Amino acid sequence: AQSVTQPDIHITVSEGASLELRCNYSYGATPYLFWYVQSPGQGLQLLLKYFSGDTLVQGIKGFEAEFKRSQSSFNLRKPSVHWSDAAEYFCAVGGVTGGENKLTFGTGTQLKVEL
Amino acid sequence: GAVVSQHPSRVICKSGTSVKIECRSLDFQATTMFWYRQFPKQSLMLMATSNEGSKATYEQGVEKDKFLINHASLTLSTLTVASAHPEDSSFYICSAAEGLGNQPQHFGDGTRLSIL
Repeated sequence: AQSVTQPDIHITVSEGASLELRCNYSYGATPYLFWYVQSPGQGLQLLLKYFSGDTLVQGIKGFEAEFKRSQSSFNLRKPSVHWSDAAEYFCAVGGVTGGENKLTFGTGTQLKVEL
Repeated sequence: GAVVSQHPSRVICKSGTSVKIECRSLDFQATTMFWYRQFPKQSLMLMATSNEGSKATYEQGVEKDKFLINHASLTLSTLTVASAHPEDSSFYICSAAEGLGNQPQHFGDGTRLSIL
């Protein structure tokens, strides 16, 4: 069974500082990996995805993530955080089962940005 | 592109009422739509997967007779919470994927359901 672990429940960074959110996955085959962001009371917005190819993936809003198969990780990074980045971040792993691309989400990391 | 509209955004109703939530893909055809439930400060739990024109596939522990899903077209799926009770209060989110395989899911803005 596929699973995702996000070790950090809460992270606080200062505006302008760099950010790294951790994500570890468990999946039997080559995973499809995603990072989503959720603002309070809203749905999820896709930040970036990894399917294959270059292990460093660029996303929207200046985010990037690196797939490391040896570490089963897909950490999200941003060089300089903005106050508007404060939100809940979810890592997800997907796979095709019976033709359906189901996602399994981590428990999320709440990002707080100090001005 | 890839916009998913979910309606209503918030529902408050009395216990015993049935509530319908709509999920529409506005600018693409969604082969598959997903319904999730999210408890406060928790992750998303997949409830069911629906494909246009066929019965939904429910996850273990989800009551089919309580959470009725209809995927009538390639752009519309509905979730009906039948005879809702306070324990059904939650944040419900739908998503839609264009095609099969590794297509990313695009999410609606969610529906906050409060049963009094």
